[in-house]
Amino acid sequence: SQTIHQWPATLVQPVGSPLSLECTVEGTSNPNLYWYRQAAGRGLQLLFYSVGIGQISSEVPQNLSASRPQDRQFILSSKKLLLSDSGFYLCAWIQGWATGELFFGEGSRLTVL
Amino acid sequence: AQKITQTQPGMFVQEKEAVTLDCTYDTSDPSYGLFWYKQPSSGEMIFLIYQGSYDQQNATEGRYSLNFQKARKSANLVISASQLGDSAMYFCAVSGYALNFGKGTSLLVTP
Repeated sequence: SQTIHQWPATLVQPVGSPLSLECTVEGTSNPNLYWYRQAAGRGLQLLFYSVGIGQISSEVPQNLSASRPQDRQFILSSKKLLLSDSGFYLCAWIQGWATGELFFGEGSRLTVL
Repeated sequence: AQKITQTQPGMFVQEKEAVTLDCTYDTSDPSYGLFWYKQPSSGEMIFLIYQGSYDQQNATEGRYSLNFQKARKSANLVISASQLGDSAMYFCAVSGYALNFGKGTSLLVTP
């Protein structure tokens, strides 16, 4: 069966420090992968999506970047975190829209101090 | 660009009663999907129900049903026989190349 994992689950980072969040999908191949961010009490904002290895589309200009070094691995990074980067980050995947469902990881809660 | 509107930031319902959570959307895509997700305080996103834009009948999944009115671009979620465990944030979403989410409705079920 297909599963999706994110880590770390929580982290507290100082302003200006780097960031790396990792997401891996198991049990499927060539999924579409997504990074969303949810600020406190808000909806989900799409940050990046990827339809294949090395293919990244950015939705919102910011100091974050994403990479897809392997088919089932999606990484969210930053060289220097800002206070506004705090939030709940969710990785998600879908095999195809005909199936209807977007599968989410457990989420990574980032606090920038 | 798609726009999803959930006009109810917070809702209260008594246990065992039904509740309707509103969602309207705007999209220029001729074919699309409508989704509802539940997010409890733990943060996980739980898929509840899906409706395709060309589906003739309203989708149902157990106690959840989607009241789809295509001409009005409305996709309301109806939860029947509310339970205390239904207390959570609820998000409506519309598919494009990704899922685009509304801002959510916080539902509190009281005894």
